[in-house]
Amino acid sequence: EAGVAQSPRYKIIEKRQSVAFWCNPISGHATLYWYQQILGQGPKLLIQFQNNGVVDDSQLPKDRFSAERLKGVDSTLKIQPAKLEDSAVYLCASSRFRTGDYGYTFGSGTRLTVV
Amino acid sequence: AQRVTQPEKLLSVFKGAPVELKCNYSYSGSPELFWYVQYSRQRLQLLLRHISRESIKGFTADLNKGETSFHLKKPFAQEEDSAMYYCALSSSSNTGKLIFGQGTTLQVKP
Repeated sequence: EAGVAQSPRYKIIEKRQSVAFWCNPISGHATLYWYQQILGQGPKLLIQFQNNGVVDDSQLPKDRFSAERLKGVDSTLKIQPAKLEDSAVYLCASSRFRTGDYGYTFGSGTRLTVV
Repeated sequence: AQRVTQPEKLLSVFKGAPVELKCNYSYSGSPELFWYVQYSRQRLQLLLRHISRESIKGFTADLNKGETSFHLKKPFAQEEDSAMYYCALSSSSNTGKLIFGQGTTLQVKP
């Protein structure tokens, strides 16, 4: 099966600019996650979707971050405006099962640098 | 608070030596624990999960609820085991959200 696709692979923007990341999960995977991984740290969940509904967005900085999964397939994560501390790798993952007991499949990530 | 701690940032061993990557967790309920691995220039991937009690690539991990640990072990390290390893905790079987440790880089020297 095809893996989780993410684009772009790299992005460099200036602070206060906007940026968007795209994710296409594995076909048939109802659960989609966005994680933020800051250099030297483990991934941290930003938002979890079950189909097109949000399950958990408790750690999403909602004043600047937004995400959507309109048709329950592709997802977009947006940052507006970006801050220096948003520099990180943004990982998308998908799972067939909501519980995650069988683990996720991760995409390659988008490396964001805010200057 | 739910937390995963990997006390070592870097573990360096020689080929053929035993390996133990430490993971301790803090969780009040019944945990689901995982080890993920990221090889150089590859994506993060699941290595093993405690509920399956399986051995993958010679690695095993045993959940010790008394010590709240889930250490990853391999009796004889190989150079191809060099990678970043993350321990992760599923905070709720209802959501699948994972809480990751900071990761340990395993370096296996020839």
